Amino acid sequence: DAGITQSPRHKVTETGTPVTLRCHQTENHRYMYWYRQDPGHGLRLIHYSYGVKDTDKGEVSDGYSVSRSKTEDFLLTLESATSSQTSVYFCAISTREMRVISYNEQFFGPGTRLTVL
Amino acid sequence: AQTVTQSQPEMSVQEAETVTLSCTYDTSESDYYLFWYKQPPSRQMILVIRQEAYKQQNATENRFSVNFQKAAKSFSLKISDSQLGDAAMYFCAYRSASGGSNYKLTFGKGTLLTVNP
Repeated sequence: DAGITQSPRHKVTETGTPVTLRCHQTENHRYMYWYRQDPGHGLRLIHYSYGVKDTDKGEVSDGYSVSRSKTEDFLLTLESATSSQTSVYFCAISTREMRVISYNEQFFGPGTRLTVL
Repeated sequence: AQTVTQSQPEMSVQEAETVTLSCTYDTSESDYYLFWYKQPPSRQMILVIRQEAYKQQNATENRFSVNFQKAAKSFSLKISDSQLGDAAMYFCAYRSASGGSNYKLTFGKGTLLTVNP
């Protein structure tokens, strides 16, 4: 257990409203990621962070922004939610940099199911 | 860019039998990691097995083993003595060994495994 929590776990919102999802980790990992999961698409990377205030875009970043002001928190914001952003969102961390014996794993949070009406 | 292909959207197996899930990938890199993740109905992403590309020996974890064919860019998962608890969506994933990749995962679209009693 890599100590990753996500909040909220479920959210229903309306088109055009802002939404912020939070990912919190307890083990001081440098690398954090946001993925979305949609049927027929697997998991696709939205944004990632390689340190405090260091973020970059993934393959499906349009309509999303992120922030990381503290090591333990990585926020995903939908500035104006659209129905196409209805999805399950996963946060993940990479253990690459913290282990003596690196297994190069990514651990995932429990996911947030977001519905945009 | 790397791509991961899972050509079997769905598979089924009888309890106690053996099933093999297929995965192929495309990359120009020589050093990378491959993973199989399991996602049961709980939605939690669970790492099943990992393979380092520089290792010729196929990884094994209890009833789970892989057939890694580097030249063919193939990475199949074999589940022996299938159990009802193995029923889940299975994702194949690729990760570059290069730090410049920021350890991002590229996923296939998944294979839904059903285990019949």
